[in-house]
Amino acid sequence: LAKTTQPISMDSYEGQEVNITCSHNNIATNDYITWYQQFPSQGPRFIIQGYKTKVTNEVASLFIPADRKSSTLSLPRVSLSDTAVYYCLVAMDNYGQNFVFGPGTRLSVLP
Amino acid sequence: NAGVTQTPKFQVLKTGQSMTLQCAQDMNHEYMSWYRQDPGMGLRLIHYSVGAGITDQGEVPNGYNVSRSTTEDFPLRLLSAAPSQTSVYFCASSFHRDYSYEQYFGPGTRLTVT
Repeated sequence: LAKTTQPISMDSYEGQEVNITCSHNNIATNDYITWYQQFPSQGPRFIIQGYKTKVTNEVASLFIPADRKSSTLSLPRVSLSDTAVYYCLVAMDNYGQNFVFGPGTRLSVLP
Repeated sequence: NAGVTQTPKFQVLKTGQSMTLQCAQDMNHEYMSWYRQDPGMGLRLIHYSVGAGITDQGEVPNGYNVSRSTTEDFPLRLLSAAPSQTSVYFCASSFHRDYSYEQYFGPGTRLTVT
C-alpha cells in the first residue's frame, strides 16, 4: 500500500483558507486519494476523493498534480468547528478497499 | 437510516475475559471493517469483509475473530483480552463498487482492559 506523509499539526485562524499537503510518492496507477476528517470521540468522516487534477465539493477542494505524488486538501474560510484531525489515504482498487491511516494532521483553528 | 451502530459505547474487561463488540449497518453495504485507534494515532485495520460469509485479516488481526453471517452485522470477538487491546474500536461500512471510497464509521467502542 502506498504510504502517505502529512504534517503532524497546523494552526490557522478563523476565516482563513487552510491547505494541507499530503505526499504519496509510491502511489500506484489504480490508487485514488481520499481525505477523512475526525473530531474527538467520533469516527472519521469522508470529505473528498479524487484521482487527478481538481475536485471540489461543498466542503473542500482537492488538488492533485499531474505526477500524483502529492495532493493538497483546501478548506476555504475555516471556522472553529473545523478543528479536527485530517487523514490523507491512498486506496487500492475496489476489491481490497483497504485503507492505511497514518497519524493525520491535527488542525487547530484559533479565534 | 441509523447508519452504522456500535454497542457497547464503553466496556471494561479484566485480562483473559472474552467479549463481542457489536456492529450493525442498515445501508445494505457489502463492505464492512473493524479498526482500532490508540491514543494519538491513526486507525489500524483489524479485519474486513466484502460480503456475507467472506472475511479477511487486516494489519493487526491477532487476538480478534470476526464472522459475517448477514449483510447487516459484523461482530468483533476478543478471544482473551489483554491490556494491549485497550483502545477505541471503530466499525465502518461502504458499498463495494469501483472507485468509491466513502466509508461510513460508527461512533466507536472505548475498551479498557485491566
